[in-house]
Parts: sequence; C-alpha cells; structure tokens
Amino acid sequence: EPEVTQTPSHQVTQMGQEVILRCVPISNHLYFYWYRQILGQKVEFLVSFYNNEISEKSEIFDDQFSVERPDGSNFTLKIRSTKLEDSAMYFCASQQDRANGYTFGSGTRLTVV
Amino acid sequence: AQSVTQLGSHVSVSEGALVLLRCNYSSSVPPYLFWYVQYPNQGLQLLLKYTTGATLVKGINGFEAEFKKSETSFHLTKPSAHMSDAAEYFCAVSAPLSNQFYFGTGTSLTVIP
Repeated sequence: EPEVTQTPSHQVTQMGQEVILRCVPISNHLYFYWYRQILGQKVEFLVSFYNNEISEKSEIFDDQFSVERPDGSNFTLKIRSTKLEDSAMYFCASQQDRANGYTFGSGTRLTVV
Repeated sequence: AQSVTQLGSHVSVSEGALVLLRCNYSSSVPPYLFWYVQYPNQGLQLLLKYTTGATLVKGINGFEAEFKKSETSFHLTKPSAHMSDAAEYFCAVSAPLSNQFYFGTGTSLTVIP
C-alpha cells in the first residue's frame, strides 16, 4: 500500500537554528499538508499546499515557517529560527481529492533545546 | 466553522467488551467525518470516513461509526475489544470544500485483559 514517507524520524536542534523536515507524499496525490502535535495536545493544522502554492494556513504558520515542493516528489517544511515551543511531532499528509481522508506519514519528532 | 468534541480523554474496556468512543461535531455545512487511530510512536492511520450516502460506515479492524445528523454525532464502536485496539483515537471533521481537517483532542483507549 502506498505510503507517505517522512525523514528524519527524530531531529534535535538548538534554539535559533533552521530545520527542514522532509516528506515524500504519495505520487498521484494532489493535496499536501503539514500538521503538528505538541506532546499531550491535539493535532493542529499548519498548512495545505495545492498546485504548487499554499492554499490555506493557520495562525501557527507564521513567517518563521515555509513550505516547498522543490522537485515534484519531496514536500518540505522549513522552520527558519526554531523556538523551544516548536518542539512537537510534525506530520505530513497527502490526499488524492477532498472526498478522501488524508494519508499521514509516521511523523518527525522535533526537539528544540 | 467546523469543530469536534471527543467526550472522554481516557476510556478503559475489558477485552471482549463493547468499545464506544464518542465524537460530536459542529459544522455550518454538511461535514465529512473521519476517525483516525494512532499507535504509540506512529502516525495517524485512517480507520473510516463518512462523506455522503450510507450513514453507517464500516472501517478497518472491525470498527464502525454512524453519522447521526440530528445528534451531530459520529461515535465509533466495535462489538468486541481486542488487546491490539489499545491506542489513541482521533475524530476529525472537514467541510466538503475545505482542505483543512479539524481534529478532536483524542481518546486514549485502554484494553484490560
């Protein structure tokens, strides 16, 4: 069964450093997403991406965040200058069309120290 | 606007007993509804979904859920709990023309042998 692949599975970074979280969505999917889950809290929407541009973003997704689909297969989330409160599990998801559920990756646990 | 409320952050059942996880939604338009399961240190896996049509939907691992518009509910059930069902369960809602999913806070299911 097709999978969404996320790398790395765990990343530790120092506060103020830039991080790039990588995702390979399912190849025939058209919609791509990033969500995050702070430990013990609900899964929160960050951003959706369609047709090579951001289609929706949440208040969490401020100027420190950016997304890119550089080569038609990878979908990346960049955090420019990490803060302690960015520590969370980050999930990538892709979707074939809006009537279907997302397929989530297994997540990247980001720890900012 | 869409939102989801999951009643009961922790549910414990005996092995072989009925599982009932509650989800109520709020939506200004006919919603799409989903249940996801998250096993420890893993991503979210789609259990089942309701978009249109039959209000009783069956998913993987013997789970099913019924969309009740009059009660704005989408409760998840399984007739007989198995030890392997122990996990975190998330209800989610999206509007048909929206990319974004809104997740509930999750219900942690414990199965007692």
